[in-house]
Amino acid sequence: DAGVTQSPTHLIKTRGQQVTLRCSPKSGHDTVSWYQQALGQGPQFIFQYYEEEERQRGNFPDRFSGHQFPNYSSELNVNALLLGDSALYLCASSWDGNTEAFFGQGTRLTVV
Amino acid sequence: EDQVTQSPEALRLQEGESSSLNCSYTVSGLRGLFWYRQDPGKGPEFLFTLYSAGEEKEKERLKATLTKKESFLHITAPKPEDSATYLCAVQAGWDSGNTPLVFGKGTRLSVIA
Repeated sequence: DAGVTQSPTHLIKTRGQQVTLRCSPKSGHDTVSWYQQALGQGPQFIFQYYEEEERQRGNFPDRFSGHQFPNYSSELNVNALLLGDSALYLCASSWDGNTEAFFGQGTRLTVV
Repeated sequence: EDQVTQSPEALRLQEGESSSLNCSYTVSGLRGLFWYRQDPGKGPEFLFTLYSAGEEKEKERLKATLTKKESFLHITAPKPEDSATYLCAVQAGWDSGNTPLVFGKGTRLSVIA
């Protein structure tokens, strides 16, 4: 059983650029949540997608946007990258947001 | 505002030296408390979910317990491979599927052979 998969694993971008991160949920899961984890900190909730709609959003600016596809996979887009956006971006999947969330290995984004 | 505080920030143990990690929380209606293990540069790995005060769960050398204000992760006779950051998270509220996980900063555990 494939778990949550994220791509790419590492990414280096220049300040001001745009980036797209991808996530495929665990088989049988329909809800995808995205988290940002700065070094030495716990993950911070960005937003959650269910039935192709953003269901809840954390305290992140509109530069952060997302999408969920009919096969439940999801993308996270970040526009106008700032140095402070450098972090590990984690995708978590669950069933209807009510079961244990399983995380992918993350995408390490470095903004220079 | 829902909040999770973990202590200590870092813990160094000798192999075989048992100890406990603490997770204190304030939440409006606990739906579940979660423990995860995270290795450097990797995503969190699910360990346990606890739903109500008095509940306990065990997995190998780990045992998680829950009260109304805190949770403990007890590590019995740890081995070097238990070295990792242990994250605690709470899910609050009762709206179906609308409540994200709120994480603490984690406890970095080092087990020395």
